[in-house]
Amino acid sequence: AQSVTQLDSQVPVFEEAPVELRCNYSSSVSVYLFWYVQYPNQGLQLLLKYLSGSTLVKGINGFEAEFNKSQTSFHLRKPSVHISDTAEYFCAVRAGLTSGTYKYIFGTGTRLKVLA
Amino acid sequence: GAGVSQSPRYKVAKRGQDVALRCDPISGHVSLFWYQQALGQGPEFLTYFQNEAQLDKSGLPSDRFFAERPEGSVSTLKIQRTQQEDSAVYLCASSITTNTEAFFGQGTRLTVV
Repeated sequence: AQSVTQLDSQVPVFEEAPVELRCNYSSSVSVYLFWYVQYPNQGLQLLLKYLSGSTLVKGINGFEAEFNKSQTSFHLRKPSVHISDTAEYFCAVRAGLTSGTYKYIFGTGTRLKVLA
Repeated sequence: GAGVSQSPRYKVAKRGQDVALRCDPISGHVSLFWYQQALGQGPEFLTYFQNEAQLDKSGLPSDRFFAERPEGSVSTLKIQRTQQEDSAVYLCASSITTNTEAFFGQGTRLTVV
């Protein structure tokens, strides 16, 4: 079964410092990977996605992620964070099932707190 | 529409009451998903539609939960005889094909008192 692990439940970081949010997945088939951000009382907004091709993926708001097949990781990075980046971040994998259906499996989330 | 729309945004139900949550997906999106997000947790899959066909309902927690998408566009998630453990945010998402990302609505926050 496919799964996603986000090891850090909370990450505090000072404004303008770099940040990395970790995500590891388990899958025996080709994967589609995503990072979503959730602001308070809001739905999920797509930050970036890896479907195929280049393993370095750039997304919105200056975020990027690198797909590492050997380490089964898809860590999210930003070189300089802003106060407005304070939010919950979710890593997800698209799980394709033998029945022909599919779904997105989410990690438990990492709360990024940017400090002034 | 421009995005996935869910209504109502907030719903308070007395225990034992039936509720219906509505989702308007992005026009033309074939796939539609319902997720349940408990406080402080990640979204948990409930059910999946491809057009009007409900192809996966393995995540529905009990037979009190029922979802439909009769014309392949708008979907309704119904919860009968609500219980306190049903309190959560219910998220709807749609996707144009199986090989693209899902777009999420803002969710319906259900509180059962």
